[in-house]
Parts: sequence; C-alpha cells; structure tokens
Amino acid sequence: GQNIDQPTEMTATEGAIVQINCTYQTSGFNGLFWYQQHAGEAPTFLSYNVLDGLEEKGRFSSFLSRSKGYSYLLLKELQMKDSASYLCAVRDTYGQNFVFGPGTRLSVLP
Amino acid sequence: SQTIHQWPATLVQPVGSPLSLECTVEGTSNPNLYWYRQAAGRGLQLLFYSVGIGQISSEVPQNLSASRPQDRQFILSSKKLLLSDSGFYLCAWSVQGPGEQYFGPGTRLTVT
Repeated sequence: GQNIDQPTEMTATEGAIVQINCTYQTSGFNGLFWYQQHAGEAPTFLSYNVLDGLEEKGRFSSFLSRSKGYSYLLLKELQMKDSASYLCAVRDTYGQNFVFGPGTRLSVLP
Repeated sequence: SQTIHQWPATLVQPVGSPLSLECTVEGTSNPNLYWYRQAAGRGLQLLFYSVGIGQISSEVPQNLSASRPQDRQFILSSKKLLLSDSGFYLCAWSVQGPGEQYFGPGTRLTVT
C-alpha cells in the first residue's frame, strides 16, 4: 500500500527556521518531492531528492533517508509569504505515478 | 520553456449536467499527463494518468473519464455530475524519465 504522513499544521515566527517532516511507506520509490501550495492556487515545485542526503536551494533545503522512509523540508529566514501548505510526494518505482501526502499548513506569524 | 494550460478557471454546473475540462501542454513531447482532484482543505487525489496517446490509467472508480486524443492534450469528462464532484481539478505533466511534476493553474468546479 501507499501511505504518506505529514503534520497537519505548524506555526512559526517570521525570521525563524522551521522543519516539516514527512514519513512514507510506499510499494516503490523513484524520488521524493516537495511542493508549496498557497490557498486557492496550484502546487509549485520546490525540491526533489532521489538519493540520501541534503539538497539545498536558497532558503529551502530538503533531506532524504530512504532506509528510514523519512524526509524533511527545512525553511530558513521565514517570511510571511511562506505561509502556505507544503505537500510531500513520492514517485513510484515505475516512475509514472505520484502519491501525495495530506499536506502541512504552515502559518508564519509576525 | 514548458507551459501548461487549463480551462475554464472556474465552473458552476448543476447536478446531472455533463463536464469537459481541457488541459494542454506546450514545449515538451510525449509527456506523462495527470488529472488530480482536491476537495476543500484536503490533499491531492489522483484520478487518471496517461503515458501516451490513448493510454489512460484510472486510479479511482467513479463517474469521471479521461481521454488523450493528442500527445499534449488531456481531457476530463463526465456524463452526469454529482454534488461530490465539486472540487479543485488540477492537470499536471512530467517527463517520462525521473523528475518532478508541474501543475496547471487548476479549474474550480462547483456542482449545485
């Protein structure tokens, strides 16, 4: 079966650092993805991990441990515009199908 | 560069009426194409995906259907809408090899 878990909601302060965790149990694995979705809008791609370790992209970093079925998205120097839902997704072994987690709604407070 | 278009942006339809949502991709060939639905405050539910013209895989049995008449065109249809079909419909594409998905702007459907 396919199961992806994320915290439902998180709150952080402007300028701080926040870590959003994702655990997954899927029948196959061909990459883990993080997306940002502002209310009422389509998801936008943030990061992609296929090998273990940390990928850094400006203020955003994503980490993957395939043996533990675990990833996190790290957001530094939080800004008000970072208030959004963050979706974790896994691509299956055959590479055609993406399974999405329920999303984590992040609120950044002044 | 690649772009993905969806229309209409919003739609209000009565129960029992038909539906046709269209998605087109520009700037790439032979993409994988996907239809998702997102109910209010919920996650993404994969409805259909396609790896080529005329090839459709259905993930959830329901009153919706999908077709891919051309390489970069993906259509979502229904003969009779239900109230439960209301939601935010998203089309997405990816390359055939490893890599991420990119989403269209979405269609917000309200069935009344």
